[in-house]
Amino acid sequence: KAGVTQTPRYLIKTRGQQVTLSCSPISGHRSVSWYQQTPGQGLQFLFEYFSETQRNKGNFPGRFSGRQFSNSRSEMNVSTLELGDSALYLCASSLDPGSNNSPLHFGNGTRLTVT
Amino acid sequence: AQTVTQSQPEMSVQEAETVTLSCTYDTSESDYYLFWYKQPPSRQMILVIRQEAYKQQNATENRFSVNFQKAAKSFSLKISDSQLGDAAMYFCAYRSYGGSQGNLIFGKGTKLSVKP
Repeated sequence: KAGVTQTPRYLIKTRGQQVTLSCSPISGHRSVSWYQQTPGQGLQFLFEYFSETQRNKGNFPGRFSGRQFSNSRSEMNVSTLELGDSALYLCASSLDPGSNNSPLHFGNGTRLTVT
Repeated sequence: AQTVTQSQPEMSVQEAETVTLSCTYDTSESDYYLFWYKQPPSRQMILVIRQEAYKQQNATENRFSVNFQKAAKSFSLKISDSQLGDAAMYFCAYRSYGGSQGNLIFGKGTKLSVKP
């Protein structure tokens, strides 16, 4: 069974541009979460999607958005990039976000560098 | 709001020895879950062990075990017979019992080095 797949692995963008990151969950998983990982702030929850609906959202500005498609694949978008958006973006999937026996499975992340 | 603190930014252990990583957390909730995740250089977060707060028995997974002290809000990870492959960043994480599976609160992590 394939794991959580994130594309691309690396990305370099310029300030002011926008970027879209993609995440394909494990087959059968319906929930996708996104995290931002930086050396200073550590891992911070961005948002969670289940059945194409945003279920939870972290404390990030509106420049950060996401969506989920009917096949459970998810994308996150960051508009008007800032230098501080440089980070590793991790995606995780689970069968059912409300289940206590449905652990999170993480992807390898997308390393975004903003210059 | 809940917080998770890992006070040891870096730790080192000799191969085959035992090491303990510390984690404390702050919450007003009585039911919750605690996790230890490992992040090797491949960047993929891997679940090491999970503890339900309502269970008094400490969780164990092969060479990995936890010391869960609910009153002290402490959740340490013990790695026995350390192996070179254990070298990684280790993150402690918290989730509310009624909270969503995908919404975890992480500590800043502890970088573990294993010396041959």
